Amino acid sequence: GEKVEQHESTLSVREGDSAVINCTYTDTASSYFPWYKQEAGKSLHFVIDIRSNVDRKQSQRLIVLLDKKAKRFSLHITATQPEDSAIYFCAASRASSGQKLVFGQGTILKVYL
Amino acid sequence: EAAVTQSPRNKVAVTGGKVTLSCNQTNNHNNMYWYRQDTGHGLRLIHYSYGAGSTEKGDIPDGYKASRPSQENFSLILELATPSQTSVYFCASGVDRGRGDTQYFGPGTRLLVL
Repeated sequence: GEKVEQHESTLSVREGDSAVINCTYTDTASSYFPWYKQEAGKSLHFVIDIRSNVDRKQSQRLIVLLDKKAKRFSLHITATQPEDSAIYFCAASRASSGQKLVFGQGTILKVYL
Repeated sequence: EAAVTQSPRNKVAVTGGKVTLSCNQTNNHNNMYWYRQDTGHGLRLIHYSYGAGSTEKGDIPDGYKASRPSQENFSLILELATPSQTSVYFCASGVDRGRGDTQYFGPGTRLLVL
């Protein structure tokens, strides 16, 4: 079955710098790649996603890149702010799988002043 | 915003006891999911459902049952709880338009099995 690897377990960046979180997946049929954010002690909420028909998507300070050949996708957070500090999860699914998501292990992002 | 609630929020159970975790969503989403979150593993799918009366096995179903008696409610049942089932459990709901869509998560249930 699908495996999603999240390469950075923790990431520390200075406020205002960019943060990049990388994920790889194994199932070539995966076509939907969402990212979720979990703030300390809270639940997960959706932040951005990308589908396999595009290779780049931006929403304000968040950019997602998808490289289907390498089976890699990444989340770029530009101009980081302290409120970006959280755990970020990448995930992947096939379009036809009933939305069964396979999650990466999570990256703890710390933004320091 | 989608509304998914879970009960109880915290639970202490004894080994061998029965535990039922409940989830309710008011979004009229067809799909519902149960995940567990453990450090180093991210979230792993236990059971999911496409609608009332349906349940499907996820990636780690052993030791768990699920029940979807209505569109709004989805329960996770641990018939014989074990300490290895100590975890944080999240319920989620989502539409299914066959292309991948956002899942909306509940606040989580923290389960400790002694």
